[in-house]
Amino acid sequence: DTAVSQTPKYLVTQMGNDKSIKCEQNLGHDTMYWYKQDSKKFLKIMFSYNNKELIINETVPNRFSPKSPDKAHLNLHINSLELGDSAVYFCASSQSSGGWYEQYFGPGTRLTVT
Amino acid sequence: GENVEQHPSTLSVQEGDSAVIKCTYSDSASNYFPWYKQELGKRPQLIIDIRSNVGEKKDQRIAVTLNKTAKHFSLHITETQPEDSAVYFCAASRGNYQLIWGAGTKLIIKP
Repeated sequence: DTAVSQTPKYLVTQMGNDKSIKCEQNLGHDTMYWYKQDSKKFLKIMFSYNNKELIINETVPNRFSPKSPDKAHLNLHINSLELGDSAVYFCASSQSSGGWYEQYFGPGTRLTVT
Repeated sequence: GENVEQHPSTLSVQEGDSAVIKCTYSDSASNYFPWYKQELGKRPQLIIDIRSNVGEKKDQRIAVTLNKTAKHFSLHITETQPEDSAVYFCAASRGNYQLIWGAGTKLIIKP
């Protein structure tokens, strides 16, 4: 019964390539997030979607493009990968109506750009 | 812009002793303050949270205190155990959908 799942778990690729990470949640939540965690463990919000609508878009390069085909899915596509994109990417989801609730994180995708 | 400062960045305590991690925030409109624990190689998971209408909350060995006037909140872990070793993150809400995260505290429990 995986609540938030991500694929792939590991991704090794070369600079300049394009890659996608998929995220799915089966919790019935209406808000989903993408976070980047660098080697220093800092958690940086990248994007947030509420009911398939983009509501947070932090200062992320245009090479990163999220897509939410439905409330249960939030995918991340990255164009022209750079060395600095190497990090662990976490997807998360939460219920958001009526106040603040716990964010449930996926297992993470470790992206290594060589 | 709004930020959350978290201290210390690393905390080493003897097993059985208490650990305290402190965070300060800048947005006076923040009203939700969660704490997440991230074990090595794992995902962050919520361990306790507090809302602005409450000053303290406890859950077994874990407690969180909030001082809205001073804009700071703290995580207290008593009788620390080896499984408490992890990175702990505090966060403060911004608006309806965003959390501003602290930089994390690596807690080391010495046997």
